[in-house]
Parts: sequence; structure tokens; C-alpha cells
Amino acid sequence: GAVVSQHPSRVICKSGTSVKIECRSLDFQATTMFWYRQFPKQSLMLMATSNEGSKATYEQGVEKDKFLINHASLTLSTLTVTSAHPEDSSFYICSASVGTGSHIQYFGAGTRLSVL
Amino acid sequence: AQSVTQPDIHITVSEGASLELRCNYSYGATPYLFWYVQSPGQGLQLLLKYFSGDTLVQGIKGFEAEFKRSQSSFNLRKPSVHWSDAAEYFCAVARGSSASKIIFGSGTRLSIRP
Repeated sequence: GAVVSQHPSRVICKSGTSVKIECRSLDFQATTMFWYRQFPKQSLMLMATSNEGSKATYEQGVEKDKFLINHASLTLSTLTVTSAHPEDSSFYICSASVGTGSHIQYFGAGTRLSVL
Repeated sequence: AQSVTQPDIHITVSEGASLELRCNYSYGATPYLFWYVQSPGQGLQLLLKYFSGDTLVQGIKGFEAEFKRSQSSFNLRKPSVHWSDAAEYFCAVARGSSASKIIFGSGTRLSIRP
């Protein structure tokens, strides 16, 4: 149980285009989903927290107009990187938890974004 | 502010040898502590967690960790490593009033010598 599916696993796009990444909880309802960014050989940095049906809460320094997060249902959250540039190239990972106070997060396999 | 320190960037051990990965945290209250493992190009898998109670916690894949409040540590151990244990290991602490946000350490890359 507690499987989180992230799609696509890898995407290559041209500079200036937008890319959408999906995060789905397959066998549970995820009240809260998290989006992380991981640079090569570095740790995960939390970008934003989203609760179903409400606006995402972004961490300091993360551009909310650049990284659009939608959490329209209890099983799906999307991250859209708008007008992507090479510096947006990174590994993006989502996670999901059950309940707003849950301490356990289940992680997706990540999406490798390469912007040319 | 809460923080997690993993002092070892890279560790190499021989297959069959014992392993200890270090983790120190800074947190004002009783922390919620985690160890995650990440294989190359993959997401994170929870190895074990400590919330309260017995300070020695058992996890999956034969791993265990001990919470030592006096040392602000939560070191991960395994008595005998396997080649498949080669991966990146992250210690993490939950923060915030809801304890749902997680702060990750910088990670320790584990290599296994045949």
C-alpha cells in the first residue's frame, strides 16, 4: 500500500515551454502533497505544500508564478513549470501524506527535467 | 531553527561489514526523526522512524537506529551490509506545529566494496 506514482519520469523540453508533472496517490487519499527539488548530489529542498482544494503554500524563495501547483483531488497534484529555462533543470520529487498532521510521507520516484 | 547534519558525505564499507551512518539534529522539542534511502534516479523510501517510546527502532532491510537525546543524534546502523545497500541515505526531522514538514540532511552516499 501507500504507493505514489509520478509521471513522467523524465522530460526534455525547449527553453520557454511549460512542463506539467503529475503526482498520484494510487491506493490512498492524500490530504497533503509536497513538492521537492533536488539538485545533483544534494538534498531535497521543499518547494511547496498543497492541501486538496486550497492554494499551495510555497517556501521562501520559490516563485509561485513559476511553479504552479494544483491539488484538485485527494489523489492528484500537479506541478507545472512555466516558461522553463535551463536553470530549472533538476530532479523534482513529490510526496503525499494522509491527514494534515501526518508525519509520514510517501514519495514518488521523481521526474528528471532537462531544459535545453 | 531546525536542522539536520550528516557529517559523512561518502562512506565505503566492505560487503558483510557493519555500518553506521551518523546524523545529528537541532530541534527545540522532541523531534520526529526519519531515515530514508534513495537509489540512483529514484524517489525516497522510508527505512525507519522515531516518534516516541523505545529509543532503538527497527526498520526495513535489517536497519536500525538509536535516538540519543543527550547527543542529539539518530545514527543508522546495520550489522552486515549487502551490495544492494549501496545508495544515498538521508536523515530527516519533522518540523512545524503539524509536524508534517520534513527537513532533510545533506545525505550520505554509501558505496559497497566487494
